[in-house]
Amino acid sequence: DTGVSQDPRHKITKRGQNVTFRCDPISEHNRLYWYRQTLGQGPEFLTYFQNEAQLEKSRLLSDRFSAERPKGSFSTLEIQRTEQGDSAMYLCASSPKTETYEQYFGPGTRLTVT
Amino acid sequence: RKEVEQDPGPFNVPEGATVAFNCTYSNSASQSFFWYRQDCRKEPKLLMSVYSSGNEDGRFTAQLNRASQYISLLIRDSKLSDSATYLCVLSMDTGRRALTFGSGTRLQVQP
Repeated sequence: DTGVSQDPRHKITKRGQNVTFRCDPISEHNRLYWYRQTLGQGPEFLTYFQNEAQLEKSRLLSDRFSAERPKGSFSTLEIQRTEQGDSAMYLCASSPKTETYEQYFGPGTRLTVT
Repeated sequence: RKEVEQDPGPFNVPEGATVAFNCTYSNSASQSFFWYRQDCRKEPKLLMSVYSSGNEDGRFTAQLNRASQYISLLIRDSKLSDSATYLCVLSMDTGRRALTFGSGTRLQVQP
């Protein structure tokens, strides 16, 4: 399967714990995005990488959130001191270095904070 | 005011019906427009891009009215497999090209 992959698919954690999610984009896609989706809402943009550079972060991304893409390939999203309000689906998408705006989404990581 | 507004539905229609979804957006600087489809508990997938001249892909027709800041999607001859949430999406013509999503309109096609 050469699509975007995400790991884990589901994560249940207790409030206050740290969690880390991984995204593997489509090979050679240089743009990578993280979105968050809560029930009944569309995905909301969190952050964007072009190669290894994190070029933009949404105001939704509090100081407890950090994302990296160290070698311009896979990316990680870490949430420290999780809160119940962090419960959501975290979606990763990638896009090639062309004029296209099309983004290819991974299956998402569903986080439940208890 | 939300950047992208959609009627959440649900739209319950019989097989074979024609159904139309509308969407309005608030930022006139928006440059690119799309409809994405999202099945329950799955990731969004691009259904089609939307152009000012209107475009058609099989049973699906999309239309953009920049003056009214309005986008539409028409589905003809609805199939059971069309049941999903349809997300209205836009992007600014900036380097990052991040997508801004509406909350989606749920469609349920019934036999």
